[in-house]
Amino acid sequence: SQQGEEDPQALSIQEGENATMNCSYKTSINNLQWYRQNSGRGLVHLILIRSNEREKHSGRLRVTLDTSKKSSSLLITASRAADTASYFCATVLTDSWGKLQFGAGTQVVVTP
Amino acid sequence: GAVVSQHPSWVICKSGTSVKIECRSLDFQATTMFWYRQFPKQSLMLMATSNEGSKATYEQGVEKDKFLINHASLTLSTLTVTSAHPEDSSFYICSARRQPGTEKLFFGSGTQLSVL
Repeated sequence: SQQGEEDPQALSIQEGENATMNCSYKTSINNLQWYRQNSGRGLVHLILIRSNEREKHSGRLRVTLDTSKKSSSLLITASRAADTASYFCATVLTDSWGKLQFGAGTQVVVTP
Repeated sequence: GAVVSQHPSWVICKSGTSVKIECRSLDFQATTMFWYRQFPKQSLMLMATSNEGSKATYEQGVEKDKFLINHASLTLSTLTVTSAHPEDSSFYICSARRQPGTEKLFFGSGTQLSVL
């Protein structure tokens, strides 16, 4: 079953705008990760935030984690056409031997 | 960064045939590999966890005899879709963990399987 639910399902923005997507999960986690997938390709790891962290930055990416609400957000600032992709959150459950459970994903389209 | 190679990228086969997909970690030893399945515009569904030298652990609802997984070495895991049918058509992706204790996964580029 899906551990993470994401919203929005799809997001269309102009270059230069910020893109924000959210992820909610149901059970206790060790960490939460965000991945990016270009159409018809594998996934690329973007950022990992641990359960004891609240915010993390990597370049134009900003991730927050609220364990009390069991939610996370990914912000892409100053978006570019090359950011067009699907973005997935993934959680590592505390007793799962490191298995990743993926959310439904947010499809982001950035138009020039 | 670590590289995971998945082959083939796409395959078309007739119903009833078997298809083997390979997943190789090129520059690191992967003690654990995961196999996912993805339908169009949907998320990844974990099929099984493959540990080198032991039997794969399948997720609930995944047929072991249908999807044979072999992790014979620290750099290679294979998924064989046996007696494929049109409903097996999907995008299959493997991923590998570099070593125990690391959480980040490295993904192959995926295999699009189309069963006619």
